[in-house]
Amino acid sequence: DADVTQTPRNRITKTGKRIMLECSQTKGHDRMYWYRQDPGLGLRLIYYSFDVKDINKGEISDGYSVSRQAQAKFSLSLESAIPNQTALYFCATSGIRSGATGELFFGEGSRLTVL
Amino acid sequence: AQSVTQLGSHVSVSEGALVLLRCNYSSSVPPYLFWYVQYPNQGLQLLLKYTSAATLVKGINGFEAEFKKSETSFHLTKPSAHMSDAAEYFCAVGGGATNKLIFGTGTLLAVQP
Repeated sequence: DADVTQTPRNRITKTGKRIMLECSQTKGHDRMYWYRQDPGLGLRLIYYSFDVKDINKGEISDGYSVSRQAQAKFSLSLESAIPNQTALYFCATSGIRSGATGELFFGEGSRLTVL
Repeated sequence: AQSVTQLGSHVSVSEGALVLLRCNYSSSVPPYLFWYVQYPNQGLQLLLKYTSAATLVKGINGFEAEFKKSETSFHLTKPSAHMSDAAEYFCAVGGGATNKLIFGTGTLLAVQP
């Protein structure tokens, strides 16, 4: 089983719908992140959380919200999806040892298409 | 502030040829530098990392990278390309109080038979 699990792996939805992407991890890491990948733009940080009570905006947080339900769970929501949110979304984690350098461990991604 | 520039969004090499993927960084603090690889339909996997120890870093699958502070570079190399190396490669910089990674825009490596 993967250490960082994302669900769903693929989702097609319509403009205006609410969407939630979920991430769970078994690595015991305290830090969790949501990135978005677009062709030619690399990975851009949406939100990150250093513990259950700590949520921080990344560089492209507009139109997104997150919830850290537990140390192992971090979900990303699109309250009203729009077509330019079509992208590949990655959840990532880092722990105490890796966190000092910023090293991240990634899930396999959730491909979202908004029609 | 930190940033990463990857020169060349697409690189094509022949099987057996040298692979050179370029990465230049900017950082106001001593950087930690990473190369990640993404195979089709998969997540990102760490290839190697520089964390202020040896400047020549060896990673998985025969890849290595050299940290050159004077050139603010961290280029990725492999002496002989294999077909299985075809993937997208991302350079990233971390370090500093926020402990976030900043990624480059990626380089798609194609390996021709």
